[in-house]
Amino acid sequence: GNSVTQMEGPVTLSEEAFLTINCTYTATGYPSLFWYVQYPGEGLQLLLKATKADDKGSNKGFEATYRKETTSFHLEKGSVQVSDSAVYFCALSDPGQNFVFGPGTRLSVLP
Amino acid sequence: DGGITQSPKYLFRKEGQNVTLSCEQNLNHDAMYWYRQDPGQGLRLIYYSQIVNDFQKGDIAEGYSVSREKKESFPLTVTSAQKNPTAFYLCATRLDSRLANEKLFFGSGTQLSVL
Repeated sequence: GNSVTQMEGPVTLSEEAFLTINCTYTATGYPSLFWYVQYPGEGLQLLLKATKADDKGSNKGFEATYRKETTSFHLEKGSVQVSDSAVYFCALSDPGQNFVFGPGTRLSVLP
Repeated sequence: DGGITQSPKYLFRKEGQNVTLSCEQNLNHDAMYWYRQDPGQGLRLIYYSQIVNDFQKGDIAEGYSVSREKKESFPLTVTSAQKNPTAFYLCATRLDSRLANEKLFFGSGTQLSVL
């Protein structure tokens, strides 16, 4: 079945550092890939998505590229802020099937 | 203002009691979902419904029940059979579950605790 693997957290960075959160997936079809963000005590919000190979999703300075050859969708940001502290979830969706989420990666950004 | 409303924000359950969590949406989405999130953990699917009057069990349905009598509403009942109900419960919707690129929209969650 489909699955998503994320790097284990927590990840602690200083403000303005470069961020990478690794995500790899296993899928039988041609999935769409997503990154969601969850702030404390809240629901998940869509951060970005990509629907086919080589697509790049971007939003609020975050980027991720759909790499079919390496089955990866790593999240990157060039300069993190304290306000980026949250839990980040990688997810995939195959047609007609439910979302599959990774376990989440907690990011803490220190001033 | 379109969106998903979960209520209450905080809920307490006594031993042997059933409690119901509300999820209402005005997005006109066909599919609705309930997830459970334990502290520091990912999401686990409890139940989902792709259309009114139909629903399916997810990965951890034991001790829970749902109904989908209206498109807008998908309440979750945590029964006394659920021995460890303390968790953060998230409701989500999706316009069309058949399409891979359709995103999930999430409510703001209900924190359930046992007294």
